[in-house]
Amino acid sequence: AQKITQTQPGMFVQEKEAVTLDCTYDTSDQSYGLFWYKQPSSGEMIFLIYQGSYDEQNATEGRYSLNFQKARKSANLVISASQLGDSAMYFCAMREARFRGATNKLIFGTGTLLAVQP
Amino acid sequence: NAGVMQNPRHLVRRRGQEARLRCSPMKGHSHVYWYRQLPEEGLKFMVYLQKENIIDESGMPKERFSAEFPKEGPSILRIQQVVRGDSAAYFCASSPPRREPPGTGANLPLHFGNGTRLTVT
Repeated sequence: AQKITQTQPGMFVQEKEAVTLDCTYDTSDQSYGLFWYKQPSSGEMIFLIYQGSYDEQNATEGRYSLNFQKARKSANLVISASQLGDSAMYFCAMREARFRGATNKLIFGTGTLLAVQP
Repeated sequence: NAGVMQNPRHLVRRRGQEARLRCSPMKGHSHVYWYRQLPEEGLKFMVYLQKENIIDESGMPKERFSAEFPKEGPSILRIQQVVRGDSAAYFCASSPPRREPPGTGANLPLHFGNGTRLTVT
């Protein structure tokens, strides 16, 4: 069965420092996608970054980068130069195997609550 | 360029009442997904719909829950005879009708609405 594991319920980081949020996954599929979403206290789900299983390079989006280690089945999110506005819940998600051609059924981890301290 | 629109943002129902949650996908998107987030948990898939079709309802509770996505109008998630355990945030997401090239792992991110927070009293 496919599964996402986020082992850090909460993390603290000082403003302007970098932080890594852990995510490991389990799948027997060769083709899959990994996502990170941010959920601030206001509740919306904000897409941050995506990594495809066949992508040879780690994904980057501004201050966000994904440390993709396929052999270890890990997809850690790295936030550089943390800002106070980065304080939020962060969810790692995996796209489940193709289902009748569907592409976007996601399995989510339990999340990591990040607190950025001034 | 409106995103996924959900309403209401907050919904309070007494036990036994019905809850109707609405979702309008992004323009050009014909696939809708409903997810539920219980307190202190991640999102859990409920149902995947295309226009007038339920494609995958493997995450839907067997009773009291139903979903539709008519040819015209928003997608509706309906919960009949609500109970306290139904209290949660319900998120809708949409995606365009495009399949990734097979074997590449390419994909498009799901765009979520702001969610509906259902409270059952």
